[in-house]
Amino acid sequence: TQLLEQSPQFLSIQEGENLTVYCNSSSVFSSLQWYRQEPGEGPVLLVTVVTGGEVKKLKRLTFQFGDARKDSSLHITAAQPGDTGLYLCAGRGAGSYQLTFGKGTKLSVIP
Amino acid sequence: GAGVSQTPSNKVTEKGKYVELRCDPISGHTALYWYRQSLGQGPEFLIYFQGTGAADDSGLPNDRFFAVRPEGSVSTLKIQRTERGDSAVYLCASSPGASTGELFFGEGSRLTVL
Repeated sequence: TQLLEQSPQFLSIQEGENLTVYCNSSSVFSSLQWYRQEPGEGPVLLVTVVTGGEVKKLKRLTFQFGDARKDSSLHITAAQPGDTGLYLCAGRGAGSYQLTFGKGTKLSVIP
Repeated sequence: GAGVSQTPSNKVTEKGKYVELRCDPISGHTALYWYRQSLGQGPEFLIYFQGTGAADDSGLPNDRFFAVRPEGSVSTLKIQRTERGDSAVYLCASSPGASTGELFFGEGSRLTVL
């Protein structure tokens, strides 16, 4: 079983601050995705990374896939209240259709 | 609608009862997934369908859980002899193909077993 550990589990910050959340595993993933989930809704995809060392930017969000494809990070610059939500990383092993999720980081951005 | 539709949105049942949860995927999506999400946890994989067949059911916790997708579109997750530990949000997701793409999730069915 491939496990994804996310940290921190909870994060509460002031509007305008920067933050980084982490997703780590001892397993290698062929691809890794980040989703955001709001209460009462299903997760929504933010990004997919497939190449070791890959960096992708989505407005104020920067995603990085580790060189060994075992870990990833999500950095948010100048957080806004609208960034509040549960951030989930999810990975697929080589040849697997199963997407394994971490437990998530619950982010609260206080105005 | 254009998204994944799940019914019921909420289901309260008594221990020992049988429940069915329905998922209507995005039209044309061949891959369909069921996940279970407990409070404070990430989604936990249950089963994956490619077309009509269950390509991977390794996540089903025991033989009380069963899922079907008879015509390759709508899927039903069936839970027999429900237990309090089955209480969770059951999420359905679909995708255009089987490989590395985005999963489109429904809003989930919240099951409460009293």
